[in-house]
Amino acid sequence: DAGVTQSPTHLIKTRGQQVTLRCSPKSGHDTVSWYQQALGQGPQFIFQYYEEEERQRGNFPDRFSGHQFPNYSSELNVNALLLGDSALYLCASSFRQLNNSPLHFGNGTRLTVT
Amino acid sequence: AQSVTQPDIHITVSEGASLELRCNYSYGATPYLFWYVQSPGQGLQLLLKYFSGDTLVQGIKGFEAEFKRSQSSFNLRKPSVHWSDAAEYFCAVGNTDKLIFGTGTRLQVFP
Repeated sequence: DAGVTQSPTHLIKTRGQQVTLRCSPKSGHDTVSWYQQALGQGPQFIFQYYEEEERQRGNFPDRFSGHQFPNYSSELNVNALLLGDSALYLCASSFRQLNNSPLHFGNGTRLTVT
Repeated sequence: AQSVTQPDIHITVSEGASLELRCNYSYGATPYLFWYVQSPGQGLQLLLKYFSGDTLVQGIKGFEAEFKRSQSSFNLRKPSVHWSDAAEYFCAVGNTDKLIFGTGTRLQVFP
């Protein structure tokens, strides 16, 4: 049973560029959430997708956008990259119909902006 | 405001010693509380969770945590630490729609 998978594992981009990160949820899960974890910090909630719509959003600018596909996989897009966007980006999945279904996290994508 | 505080940035213990990692939270409603562990270069693994009921919850890898409403705390404990427990530990409050994490406690284990 595959868990949450994320790609790529590492990425280096230049300021001003755009980036797309990808996530496949754990088998049977239908909800995907994205978190940003800066070095030495705890993860911060970016947004959550369910039924291909953004359901909740954290305190992140519009440069951060996402998408969920019919197969429940998801993408995180960041435009006009800043140095401060360098972080580990974590995807987490859950099953919405199961009350208090715990989040399962992937290993993350390490983004470095130079 | 909703928040989680982990007062200890770094803890060092000897293998076989007991462990307690502190977590305090601020949350408007009845909190759902979690402890996650993160090994270097890895994602987060759920150790245990508290939703309701018995305030002492058991988790994986021999960990347990106790919810104390009066102290707004959810401290993580283990009676005997193993070298493989060395990692970063995060306390979180919220639900599966949104988790608020603390800044983490890095655990170092000496042989």
